[in-house]
Amino acid sequence: AQTVTQSQPEMSVQEAETVTLSCTYDTSESDYYLFWYKQPPSRQMILVIRQEAYKQQNATENRFSVNFQKAAKSFSLKISDSQLGDAAMYFCAYRSADDMRFGAGTRLTVKP
Amino acid sequence: EPEVTQTPSHQVTQMGQEVILRCVPISNHLYFYWYRQILGQKVEFLVSFYNNEISEKSEIFDDQFSVERPDGSNFTLKIRSTKLEDSAMYFCARRQSIMNTEAFFGQGTRLTVV
Repeated sequence: AQTVTQSQPEMSVQEAETVTLSCTYDTSESDYYLFWYKQPPSRQMILVIRQEAYKQQNATENRFSVNFQKAAKSFSLKISDSQLGDAAMYFCAYRSADDMRFGAGTRLTVKP
Repeated sequence: EPEVTQTPSHQVTQMGQEVILRCVPISNHLYFYWYRQILGQKVEFLVSFYNNEISEKSEIFDDQFSVERPDGSNFTLKIRSTKLEDSAMYFCARRQSIMNTEAFFGQGTRLTVV
């Protein structure tokens, strides 16, 4: 099975500042997808951003962007201009044709 | 984003009882997954299901667990004899095809075993 590692159990950021959440993964596949999911207190898993492994360009969705380093198998999430509503658990996920795995999660706190 | 509906949203059951968790499918979505999350911790893979067969299962998915999609209707996860440690949030996820879409998650079923 593939593994996904989030080394930061908790992170904190000041409102309006920028924070980066780390994620590394292990795979022997060449074709796969990477995702960041947000899980607010409501417990729903909400897709934040996704990256196709074959694309060199880093994905961006408004205030959310990723730094995808394929050779290093690293996939970090950057949240710019953090808002109070960004506070949640964030899960990094890896998906290949047959497999989808999650990291352990990072709890993000946003301080007003 | 297509909705994924899970029922019930919350279930309380006595230890040793059987529970069935349901996930309402979209007709053209072929891949289904069940995950569980204990006390807001990591999301653990249980099983994947494709073309009416289990394609992969984790060590957690022992003989107490089963999945099926009877008559192409709801995708269900059954726990035959629940244990206290089965208390968790159970998420159903599905996707349309092999590579070109992400998985869509249901809102989860909170299972409490007492």
